[in-house]
Amino acid sequence: DGGITQSPKYLFRKEGQNVTLSCEQNLNHDAMYWYRQDPGQGLRLIYYSQIVNDFQKGDIAEGYSVSREKKESFPLTVTSAQKNPTAFYLCASSTNIGRTYEQYFGPGTRLTVT
Amino acid sequence: AQRVTQPEKLLSVFKGAPVELKCNYSYSGSPELFWYVQYSRQRLQLLLRHISRESIKGFTADLNKGETSFHLKKPFAQEEDSAMYYCALNTGNQFYFGTGTSLTVIP
Repeated sequence: DGGITQSPKYLFRKEGQNVTLSCEQNLNHDAMYWYRQDPGQGLRLIYYSQIVNDFQKGDIAEGYSVSREKKESFPLTVTSAQKNPTAFYLCASSTNIGRTYEQYFGPGTRLTVT
Repeated sequence: AQRVTQPEKLLSVFKGAPVELKCNYSYSGSPELFWYVQYSRQRLQLLLRHISRESIKGFTADLNKGETSFHLKKPFAQEEDSAMYYCALNTGNQFYFGTGTSLTVIP
């Protein structure tokens, strides 16, 4: 596979703890995205970044934070303020030219908070 | 507001039968539409995009601006088509995904 990687594949945390999910890409893409995938709800955008050192909130940003210090990396922190953090998290990247670009997805991280 | 609607959560068809997965969108600009597919234990990947006007794995999708639809069609379903399908709209800043349709092709 390669291209865009997420680690770890499975993550377990106790309630009240912050946890950071890793996303790295070697596709030289400018834009990166974080989605949450829940059964019956499809993909919902958490945060996205179109350029280094800049990012915007998506539809469900509350309880999450991100950083974009390097083009290749876009880590997502799930904070203790996120009320329902157990979910499957997908990272994606894309070029930033025009509107016909596609998104490339990572394999995902399944987070379980108990 | 829901920008992409996939009305069917589950769809089952017999092998060899035609299949149509519905997608409707809401967007005032010029839409860029995609179909993504997620096979079991594989990552989400692009199936096709409307601007390419191509057939991938026998699937086609035509953008109908009058009906604001981008339905995915295949004349003869195969067992390997069983997967989760997502319709997506690119507005330039964001992608908006539908809730997905799980397709099962019955042998």
